[in-house]
Amino acid sequence: AQSVTQPDIHITVSEGASLELRCNYSYGATPYLFWYVQSPGQGLQLLLKYFSGDTLVQGIKGFEAEFKRSQSSFNLRKPSVHWSDAAEYFCAVGANTGNQFYFGTGTSLTVIP
Amino acid sequence: NAGVMQNPRHLVRRRGQEARLRCSPMKGHSHVYWYRQLPEEGLKFMVYLQKENIIDESGMPKERFSAEFPKEGPSILRIQQVVRGDSAAYFCASSPGKGASYTFGSGTRLTVV
Repeated sequence: AQSVTQPDIHITVSEGASLELRCNYSYGATPYLFWYVQSPGQGLQLLLKYFSGDTLVQGIKGFEAEFKRSQSSFNLRKPSVHWSDAAEYFCAVGANTGNQFYFGTGTSLTVIP
Repeated sequence: NAGVMQNPRHLVRRRGQEARLRCSPMKGHSHVYWYRQLPEEGLKFMVYLQKENIIDESGMPKERFSAEFPKEGPSILRIQQVVRGDSAAYFCASSPGKGASYTFGSGTRLTVV
């Protein structure tokens, strides 16, 4: 069965600290992987995506993610968090042969000064 | 270049009324997806449409819910005889092709009172 697990419901970090959000997936085909960010009351904005090739992908706002096939993981990282990064982060998996993406339940990020 | 446009942003309906949610995809996108986000949950797939065709409605409740994407005009998600449990954020996304990354709209937040 296809699924995405984001083990951390809520994370709090200090501004300027590094960040890693975890994502594990289960998918029967070669996965396409995505990270989206959602600010309160807003839609989802694509941060980055992995389709193939280099397993370390760079996204917007200084985020990066690494695809590790052996661990079925696609963790999101940022070396130095800014207060404006406070939001909900969703990991998603899909495929070019599929009709839908599967989303995790999200990780809520709080940034303290 | 307008993004995915959803309206209304907020919709309040009394139990038993009908709700109509509209989605205009990005220019050049012919694939539309509807997702529902319940409070503190991730997004759940509802339906995938192309112009005049429902491709996959495996996530749609069997009763009261319907979707269309006519040749002209926006995609419509229709919920008949709404109940309190229908209260959620409904997001539309579009893509230029199957499996490509989505562009999300800002969502319609439906409240059933």
